[in-house]
Amino acid sequence: DTEVTQTPKHLVMGMTNKKSLKCEQHMGHRAMYWYKQKAKKPPELMFVYSYEKLSINESVPSRFSPECPNSSLLNLHLHALQPEDSALYLCASSQDQGTNNSPLHFGNGTRLTVT
Amino acid sequence: DQQVKQNSPSLSVQEGRISILNCDYTNSMFDYFLWYKKYPAEGPTFLISISSIKDKNEDGRFTVFLNKSAKHLSLHIVPSQPGDSAVYFCAAVNYGGATNKLIFGTGTLLAVQP
Repeated sequence: DTEVTQTPKHLVMGMTNKKSLKCEQHMGHRAMYWYKQKAKKPPELMFVYSYEKLSINESVPSRFSPECPNSSLLNLHLHALQPEDSALYLCASSQDQGTNNSPLHFGNGTRLTVT
Repeated sequence: DQQVKQNSPSLSVQEGRISILNCDYTNSMFDYFLWYKKYPAEGPTFLISISSIKDKNEDGRFTVFLNKSAKHLSLHIVPSQPGDSAVYFCAAVNYGGATNKLIFGTGTLLAVQP
């Protein structure tokens, strides 16, 4: 079992819907991440939170809105998505951002389909 | 611009033999390298890592070799087991850089035949 829990596992949404992806970890990690992975492509970084503050936004469109309510939770709010946003969305955490011996621990992802 | 490349999309190996997965990178500022394994319908799982100040790191059946002059690293799995069948991602990061961003390669699908 992964120590990073993501819900839901699967999500189908229309282009006008608003939905949220949720991620939770109880390892005491202080850095949390959102990655997006398209089929046969490597994971691509979207956002990084360090100590509950947004530290990296990889020029992600505003229809994706991250939120870190506390050190254990990370949300990704979705609104007005496009079909090309369909992908596997992976959450990860690490002890700290930017130190070695602090590898990322990934959740199993949310498979998102935008219709 | 793909800074981390895995040129073999797939690899098939017999059980008990050695699996060698290769990875090349272009950014000489990378100072830490990691290998992740991914099963279908699961997230990537950290496997092993190596700092740029080393040329080898070993953990059980897994050994990672780093050749900085060639900007090349490899993961050796010996002996290979059917349970090792998965997609393997190489990743690199520059911890001294502005973003500390982990860059993944495109992955290699390893199939270990019983």
